[in-house]
Formats: sequence, structure tokens, C-alpha cells
Amino acid sequence: DAGITQSPRHKVTETGTPVTLRCHQTENHRYMYWYRQDPGHGLRLIHYSYGVKDTDKGEVSDGYSVSRSKTEDFLLTLESATSSQTSVYFCAISGNTGELFFGEGSRLTVL
Amino acid sequence: KNEVEQSPQNLTAQEGEFITINCSYSVGISALHWLQQHPGGGIVSLFMLSSGKKKHGRLIATINIQEKHSSLHITASHPRDSAVYICAAYYGGSQGNLIFGKGTKLSVKP
Repeated sequence: DAGITQSPRHKVTETGTPVTLRCHQTENHRYMYWYRQDPGHGLRLIHYSYGVKDTDKGEVSDGYSVSRSKTEDFLLTLESATSSQTSVYFCAISGNTGELFFGEGSRLTVL
Repeated sequence: KNEVEQSPQNLTAQEGEFITINCSYSVGISALHWLQQHPGGGIVSLFMLSSGKKKHGRLIATINIQEKHSSLHITASHPRDSAVYICAAYYGGSQGNLIFGKGTKLSVKP
């Protein structure tokens, strides 16, 4: 199995609070992604990274920011969480072959 | 807008049946992924293909570039195959150009 872990796996927070999700990989893959998964939608890209300090926005980036200061870590931050950001968040990585490896997901509930 | 459509949305089968899940996409792609997600679980990559056919155990994935269509087949289905199967099309260029279908929920009854 690819070495990719997400933390926390579950979080309940209140509207307006900041939240940071962490994705950690041990594969030294170049590309890292944050997706959200909601009923009735396919996985939707929030942000992705193609190298240290190199990131770009995805389809649903409003309200989210990311940082990648090291190859192995990709952080997703919700500066001020809203109820519409209640979702399951998946991190994924890929290398030069293009094959995708996913983390186990982080379930976020914003009350 | 690049889109990915899967059919059927839901599929119930009896153990041992041959199963086909379909995926169509709107324009030319560089690669297509098939993923599996068990209830409450993470997502696992099954196949990545850009042409022809790939086989792994009881799973077979095919792609027809001209028809912009891919299929995932499961032979001799088993209850443990019950999961959501997701296809995703990579449209090339930016790494963000990966569009996911909404998934097909498969339930295999014993």
C-alpha cells in the first residue's frame, strides 16, 4: 500500500472556526491533491500541488487554502469553516506514472 | 465542459453473475482510471488505462478511444465486490484535469 495518511480522520467543529487537515506521504511523489466527496457529486478537486510551494486551484477552491512546505506534507486549511464545508475530504498522490493513491479520508462536520 | 458519465448508478447482482459498469466521457482523454470504494472506506485504484484492455484477477477494464467509452467487468461476482466503482478521466495538461464520475453502487447478493 502507498504510504499516505490523513489527519485527523474525524473532526467536529463550529461555524467560523479554523480547521486544518493534514496529508502526509512517504512515497516522495510529486503531485498531491485535496478532494471533497459529497452525496450526488463525484469527487471534486479543491487544490492540488505539483511540487514544494507549487499549488493551484481546483474546481471548488473557494473558502480553502493549501500549503506545501515539504514534499511529504500537504495541508488544507479552512480559514473560517461553514456548514457547506461539511464533507469527507480525501487526499491523493501520484507520481510520474499517473497512478493515483488515496488516503483514507477525513470526515469533517461543521455545526 | 469535460464530463464523465457512469451507468448504471445502482446495480444489484446475484453472486456469480458477470457484471459490467460503463463510463463515457465527452472529449479525448490521456488516461482513464477505475477506482473502488467500499462502504465507509477509502478509495483504491483498480486500473489506469489509455488504450486496449487490462485484467487483474476477476476484474477487466476496457477502453474504446474512438467511442469515448470504457467498461469495467467483474467475472464470477462475489459479495465482497460490493462497493462503489468510480471512473475518472484525465484530460491531459494540468494535473487538475481529472474529472470523476459520480460512481456506480454495486451490491452483490449471496
